[in-house]
Amino acid sequence: KNQVEQSPQSLIILEGKNCTLQCNYTVSPFSNLRWYKQDTGRGPVSLTIMTFSENTKSNGRYTATLDADTKQSSLHITASQLSDSASYICVVSGGSNFGNEKLTFGTGTRLTIIP
Amino acid sequence: NAGVMQNPRHLVRRRGQEARLRCSPMKGHSHVYWYRQLPEEGLKFMVYLQKENIIDESGMPKERFSAEFPKEGPSILRIQQVVRGDSAAYFCASSGTASRPHEQYFGPGTRLTVT
Repeated sequence: KNQVEQSPQSLIILEGKNCTLQCNYTVSPFSNLRWYKQDTGRGPVSLTIMTFSENTKSNGRYTATLDADTKQSSLHITASQLSDSASYICVVSGGSNFGNEKLTFGTGTRLTIIP
Repeated sequence: NAGVMQNPRHLVRRRGQEARLRCSPMKGHSHVYWYRQLPEEGLKFMVYLQKENIIDESGMPKERFSAEFPKEGPSILRIQQVVRGDSAAYFCASSGTASRPHEQYFGPGTRLTVT
């Protein structure tokens, strides 16, 4: 069964600190892995997309890593800001024909930044 | 360029009533996906549609749920005879640009409450 597990479930850190969120997956076949940010009451917004050949990808203060051998990914947030408070969701794509992707979603890590 | 639009944002229905959720994809997108997010759970795929065609409805309950994406107008997710267990956030995503065919952009969601 395809699964995406994230840890920790929730995390509270001080503004300005760094943090790392973890994602383990058992999705086969594997096409790509994405990290989304979901603010409360909003839809998910894509942060990064990585294929199996990419080890790391950055988007501003967000850096995602991927180890396709161990099926693990991490999202590192540098110099956190209050606006980073949100749920961060790891999503794995099982490949597709054009458009018809099978996405498996993790339950997310709820990150809270405190001043 | 307006993003994915969903309405209503909040919908309250009594048990046994019908719920209609609407999704207008981003301009130029011809692929629409519906997801359901139960409290404390990850998003779950329901159905994938292209204009006038249901491509994959493997995640949709067999009864009471239906979806369409007509040639003109928004995609509609219809839930007949709603029950308490249908209370959830329903997200629509769209994709389909030539440059980024696999990127799904999410709408803000419709929060359905069944009383």
